[in-house]
Amino acid sequence: QVQLQESGPGLVKPSETLSLTCTVSGGSISSYYWSWIRQPAGKGLEWIGRIYTSGSTNYNPSLKSRVTMSVDTSKNQFSLKLSSVTAADTAVYYCARERVLKYSSGWYDNWGQGTLVTVSS
Amino acid sequence: EIVMTQSPATLSVSPGERATLSCRASQSVSSNLAWYQQKPGQAPRLLIYGASTRATGIPARFSGSGSGTEFTLTISSLQSEDFAVYYCQQYNNWPTGTFGQGTKVEIK
Repeated sequence: QVQLQESGPGLVKPSETLSLTCTVSGGSISSYYWSWIRQPAGKGLEWIGRIYTSGSTNYNPSLKSRVTMSVDTSKNQFSLKLSSVTAADTAVYYCARERVLKYSSGWYDNWGQGTLVTVSS
Repeated sequence: EIVMTQSPATLSVSPGERATLSCRASQSVSSNLAWYQQKPGQAPRLLIYGASTRATGIPARFSGSGSGTEFTLTISSLQSEDFAVYYCQQYNNWPTGTFGQGTKVEIK
């Protein structure tokens, strides 16, 4: 069973860049799609974006101008950067493996435990 | 963007009873729909994909049905560990999949 673990600062100042890393263990990161999803306290789930192990990315149009994702297959890790953060970006951030179908998006069959990121001065 | 609407927002059910949760898509998503269970302080857990295929290790009391715009998750006999929030997610659209707002299943 693949396991995912998010890591990164739990507190980020407004206007700065949120940076998180997801480490994949128990299996290879190669040949899969990997996504970031967030959840504000008491609210629903929002897809942020995905990266394939080739480095190809897709982002949620609502966040696209502020999101950058990268992958390091040698370390079995992928990362998220979200720039110019505000209090509205405060949320639990999850990384997940996405099972993408041809011509469609996918479902998420493995999730990290999530990490709370608070945006505050 | 495809909007997913779940109903009801809260469902009160007694242990051992059947629970029926609904999910409606603003346009057809074929059978490209998944269901997740989320307990407080935990990540979502995949229950169903392809509208009706149970994920690995998911008990048979969970079943999914529907296609197009109308979907149902049925829990045949609620166990204590099933009280949680349930989300549907469409993945028919590329590149953006979208989630419903969730249904909370609480003890009656």
